[in-house]
Amino acid sequence: AQSVAQPEDQVNVAEGNPLTVKCTYSVSGNPYLFWYVQYPNRGLQFLLKYITGDNLVKGSYGFEAEFNKSQTSFHLKKPSALVSDSALYFCAVGGLTGGGNKLTFGTGTQLKVEL
Amino acid sequence: DSGVTQTPKHLITATGQRVTLRCSPRSGDLSVYWYQQSLDQGLQFLIQYYNGEERAKGNILERFSAQQFPDLHSELNLSSLELGDSALYFCASSVGGLETQYFGPGTRLLVL
Repeated sequence: AQSVAQPEDQVNVAEGNPLTVKCTYSVSGNPYLFWYVQYPNRGLQFLLKYITGDNLVKGSYGFEAEFNKSQTSFHLKKPSALVSDSALYFCAVGGLTGGGNKLTFGTGTQLKVEL
Repeated sequence: DSGVTQTPKHLITATGQRVTLRCSPRSGDLSVYWYQQSLDQGLQFLIQYYNGEERAKGNILERFSAQQFPDLHSELNLSSLELGDSALYFCASSVGGLETQYFGPGTRLLVL
């Protein structure tokens, strides 16, 4: 069975500072990893994904994620945080199930960027 | 805007009732997924359809059912509603396989 862990319920960072939101995963086979962001009263917005290739994946709004196979991690990063980045962030792993596929999500990390 | 539309945005109903949630996928996407987001269970996969056929099932209750129509829109039917069914229900679509799933804005269901 596939699973994702987001060890931090909340991350606080000052605007302009770098941010990291942590994610570790467990899958059998090759991992398909995703980050989504959810703003209040909105749906999930896709940020980036890792399928194969470079371990550093660049995504939307200046976010990037680093895939580390030996540590089974896929941490989300941004060099300089903005107040507008404050939101709920979900890591997810994609996998086959039955004749189809699904995303398994972590519990989410609330990011708060303060002035 | 992801291109996935869901109606209604909000739904308030009573226990024991039945409701239908509707989803229209992005143009060109053949796969539709349904997810439930609640405070106690987080985001959980319910069911997937691909080009009209059920492809995968998650922790979907027997009281819940879904279908995908020839025009590729999908409906999620929830019956004999209980208080615990109150949640945000998301639809997502993709071209298929393990490609990126794009999510709609969700339907917030409140069962009183």
